This record gives sequence, C-alpha cells and structure tokens, in this order.
Amino acid sequence: AAGVIQSPRHLIKEKRETATLKCYPIPRHDTVYWYQQGPGQDPQFLISFYEKMQSDKGSIPDRFSAQQFSDYHSELNMSSLELGDSALYFCASSLEDRVSSYNEQFFGPGTRLTVL
Amino acid sequence: AQSVSQHNHHVILSEAASLELGCNYSYGGTVNLFWYVQYPGQHLQLLLKYFSGDPLVKGIKGFEAEFIKSKFSFNLRKPSVQWSDTAEYFCAVNPRGKLIFGQGTELSVKP
Repeated sequence: AAGVIQSPRHLIKEKRETATLKCYPIPRHDTVYWYQQGPGQDPQFLISFYEKMQSDKGSIPDRFSAQQFSDYHSELNMSSLELGDSALYFCASSLEDRVSSYNEQFFGPGTRLTVL
Repeated sequence: AQSVSQHNHHVILSEAASLELGCNYSYGGTVNLFWYVQYPGQHLQLLLKYFSGDPLVKGIKGFEAEFIKSKFSFNLRKPSVQWSDTAEYFCAVNPRGKLIFGQGTELSVKP
C-alpha cells in the first residue's frame, strides 16, 4: 500500500539559509499535518491543511510557511534558519471525516533537518 | 488546554516481563486516543487506537490498551515483552484534527 512520502530525507543547511520540505500524502487523503520533533522531544504540531486550505495552526514560527497544492502535496518553507530548527519534521496525512471526526493519521518517514 | 501526560520517561525490563505504560489526558470532550511506537531512527507507527465502543482495544504486536473514561487514562499493556519492543512509545489524543502527544516513554528491553 502507498504510504506518505517525504523529501528530502536528510537536509543540512547553514544558519540563515532557507529550506523547503515536501510531503506527498497517501492517494485520496485530503488532509496533511506537519509536526516537528526536536532531539529527545515529543512531536509538536505545526500546521495542517484540509482541501488546500489551512485548517489549524500550532506552534509554527513566523519564519515558516506552508501550503497544500492542487495535487494535495504540501510544502513547508523555512527561512532564516536557526540552530534550534534542527529537528525531525514529520508529515502525516488522513482522510478527514468531518461528521464523526474519525481521523487516523498516517505518518511519513520524516525529514531530518540539521542546521549548522 | 489539552494535554497528555506519560508517567514514565524510561522503563527498563527484561525479556518476558509484563509491560504497562501509563497515559493520562486532560480534555473534557470526546477524544480519539492513540498509542504510537517509534523504533530507533524510524518514523511513528500506529500501535492501536480507540475511537468508541469496547474500552479494551487490541493492537499490533500483542499490545493492548484500556480506556478508562472516569480516570482520563489510556494505559498500554503487553503481557510479555521482547527485545524487539525496544523503542519509544507515545500516547496521543486527537480531540479534533491535530494530534497532541505525550512526552514519550523510552522502553529498553534487556535480552
């Protein structure tokens, strides 16, 4: 079965550079979530999109932006990178059931971002 | 604010020992509850989930969890752990959309 695809898997950047992370959800899934997991930390919700519109926003810095495209893939853009942005960035997708709020998220393998 | 609390940060067990990891959440409404496992260097994988119905849910790899609404708890159990269960375990709630994770419990199983 198709899974969530994230690219790149590893990324090394310098401080103040920009980075773009991509997420390709499971086919037919309409919702994408982004999470950040710092070293030894639990995953923290950043932002989500439903049907190409932002549906929720968490602790995402203003330096970050994201969008979901017409093919449902999503990109997380990170500018003015800081050392503290080094983390594992997970994308998850789901097929939203707005009636029952049944919502199982399937996670991608993550992008490990290292900022030097 | 919604939150999830996992009682144990690090648990060390010998093979064949029984496991119980505690998870409490704070949220007044209907929640969906999950346990995820993260093996070293890998992504999150769903162990089991509770949406409604029987409060005792069974998941993959012999894991089960019991939802006790009065205690706001969703503890994970396994009768006999294996070395391959060494991983980090996250409890999560999903009141609406996003997942809120607990701090995680690192399980080390000694062969």
